[in-house]
Amino acid sequence: AQTVTQSQPEMSVQEAETVTLSCTYDTSESDYYLFWYKQPPSRQMILVIRQEAYKQQNATENRFSVNFQKAAKSFSLKISDSQLGDAAMYFCAYRNRDDKIIFGKGTRLHILP
Amino acid sequence: DAGVTQSPTHLIKTRGQQVTLRCSPKSGHDTVSWYQQALGQGPQFIFQYYEEEERQRGNFPDRFSGHQFPNYSSELNVNALLLGDSALYLCASTPQGSPTWQYFGPGTRLTVL
Repeated sequence: AQTVTQSQPEMSVQEAETVTLSCTYDTSESDYYLFWYKQPPSRQMILVIRQEAYKQQNATENRFSVNFQKAAKSFSLKISDSQLGDAAMYFCAYRNRDDKIIFGKGTRLHILP
Repeated sequence: DAGVTQSPTHLIKTRGQQVTLRCSPKSGHDTVSWYQQALGQGPQFIFQYYEEEERQRGNFPDRFSGHQFPNYSSELNVNALLLGDSALYLCASTPQGSPTWQYFGPGTRLTVL
C-alpha cells in the first residue's frame, strides 16, 4: 500500500523569505502523480502544484516549485518570496493508477510579518 | 463556471442517526470521490463513483454508502452515526478524459453528539 509522510507538523517563515516543506512517499508503482494541496482556514482544498512521475523535470508554478527525487521517493515543495496569503495547511498527496489519492498528515505553515 | 459544490455546510446529528451529504461536481467532470478529514489530519479516501457505480473503496465500514446520479452529482450516506464520524467530509471531482488531479469542494462539517 502507498503511504505519504510529512515529517514537519508546523513551520514558520518570515514574509518574503523562502521555505521548503518536506514529503516522502512509499510505493511499488512506477507511474503515478504527486501533488501539493493547500488548505486555508476556509477549508477549501486548493491544488498548488503537480508532478508526473515519468517527468524528470521539476514542476514550477510561479513562486512554487518542487524538488522531485524519484529514486529517493522524495517530493519537497519550495515557496519563494513567501506572502501572508500563503499561510495554510499544506498536504502532500500521491495519486495511484486508480485515481485514488493518499494524503499526508499535513504541515501547517505560518508566515511571520 | 461553478466549482464543486457541497451541501449542507454544517450539520449536527446525534449518535445512531443517519445523514446524507450532497455533492455537485464541476461542469464537465464525471467522476466523484469522497474523503473524510478528521480534525488535524489529512483527508482519508472513502470511495469513488464513476458512471453511477462505486469504482473503488477505501477502508471504511458498510455504514458508509453512496450514490451517483445521471447528472454526475453524488450523495454520501452514513448510517448509525458514531462520535468518531465527526469530521469534515470533502467531495472531489475529476475532469473527463484527464483524470490526473481532483478539484475539491468546500466540504461539509459533520458533528455527531
